[in-house]
Amino acid sequence: QKEVEQDPGPLSVPEGAIVSLNCTYSNSAFQYFMWYRQYSRKGPELLMYTYSSGNKEDGRFTAQVDKSSKYISLFIRDSQPSDSATYLCAMSASGGSYIPTFGRGTSLIVHP
Amino acid sequence: KAGVTQTPRYLIKTRGQQVTLSCSPISGHRSVSWYQQTPGQGLQFLFEYFSETQRNKGNFPGRFSGRQFSNSRSEMNVSTLELGDSALYLCASSSGTSYNEQFFGPGTRLTVL
Repeated sequence: QKEVEQDPGPLSVPEGAIVSLNCTYSNSAFQYFMWYRQYSRKGPELLMYTYSSGNKEDGRFTAQVDKSSKYISLFIRDSQPSDSATYLCAMSASGGSYIPTFGRGTSLIVHP
Repeated sequence: KAGVTQTPRYLIKTRGQQVTLSCSPISGHRSVSWYQQTPGQGLQFLFEYFSETQRNKGNFPGRFSGRQFSNSRSEMNVSTLELGDSALYLCASSSGTSYNEQFFGPGTRLTVL
């Protein structure tokens, strides 16, 4: 079992839908949780960064962390075709020794 | 402010050769991390350099090495290339104080024949 599990998709939704992307993990030492967006032929771009449990909102994006369930989510409201990309979750155990573990990524397709 | 740049963008090598990839971080950033991305394994951490010193290292063989210069530019070297080294190699820079806020470059696509 990989430390971080993420459904590769693809996830296909109509424009305007609410998208839910998820990752589960097994290492209880993970404290930092990140979501990246990666367009084809580009490097990943940091979308959201959360420390420990709780919610964080930034525009149309909301990140949730449930450490008790070892489950993190990224919600995208009012999804747009420009949101079509691969979304990667990442986690690390400590800010002092940053060795991130990434999920395999979920491919999202938002069709007009 | 210019982003992270990587050169070359594409590279084709044959088994047994060695290769050097270059990364220029965002101005003022002192930390450079290297990653390998493949369809099979996803994105995997190779190592991180901060102020010319390797600070963190992932689980890759010794054929993978790197260095960082005084201007924070970094190079990654892979010796004795294997077919399985074909991948997208990404570097990411950060200030080094907020490690989880990294900015990635576009990557170097390495193909080993």
